[in-house]
Amino acid sequence: QVQLVESGGGVVQPGGSLRLSCAASGFTFSSYGMHWVRQAPGKGLEWVAFIRYDGSNKYYADSVKGRFTISRDNSKNTLYLQMNSLRAEDTAVYYCAKDPIPYSSGWFFGYWGQGTLVTVSS
Amino acid sequence: DIQMTQSPSSLSASVGDRVTITCRASQGISNSLAWYQQKPGKAPKLLLYAASRLESGVPSRFSGSGSGTDYTLTISSLQPEDFATYYCQQYYSTPPTFGQGTKVEIK
Repeated sequence: QVQLVESGGGVVQPGGSLRLSCAASGFTFSSYGMHWVRQAPGKGLEWVAFIRYDGSNKYYADSVKGRFTISRDNSKNTLYLQMNSLRAEDTAVYYCAKDPIPYSSGWFFGYWGQGTLVTVSS
Repeated sequence: DIQMTQSPSSLSASVGDRVTITCRASQGISNSLAWYQQKPGKAPKLLLYAASRLESGVPSRFSGSGSGTDYTLTISSLQPEDFATYYCQQYYSTPPTFGQGTKVEIK
């Protein structure tokens, strides 16, 4: 079955950097677009970024554009989120999520990982 | 960006009750709407998409309806495992956006 396992979260100072990873299994990773979605403590859900199945196109929320970079390695079945210039308001649980439509983009979220917590604090 | 507004923000209900949650979009979204269930400390789970299509494995007591800007999630007979927070999400245009959530609590 589909499994998504995030890692790389932790505590970082404002202005710092962190790279999140999401290891995928149970499906043909190279056929599906992938998203990052975050949830600040006690708050709702916010879409962060999307990468097409082949990495050809990437999309970002305005709140992270220019600071975060989504990427993927289809040979390793792994999704990444490089986060630079981190701010306190980036504190959240970060989930990777699988787009449901192969070779396209449905823009909703069929499967989610368990999440990894990023805390930005001095 | 399309704004999604859910109502109510929270509700109390008993096992066996019929529960309805409403989601309103700031513009028409042509049924490009998904519903998720989230339990404390867990990732969200997809329940429905295309406003009314049930995700595989989701109990049939969950249903969705609506059109244009107004959509509803209905739980026909609330079960103990249904106490959770529910989110709607539009995918008609980017960025995809979520409602603020509706917490369903035990009465």
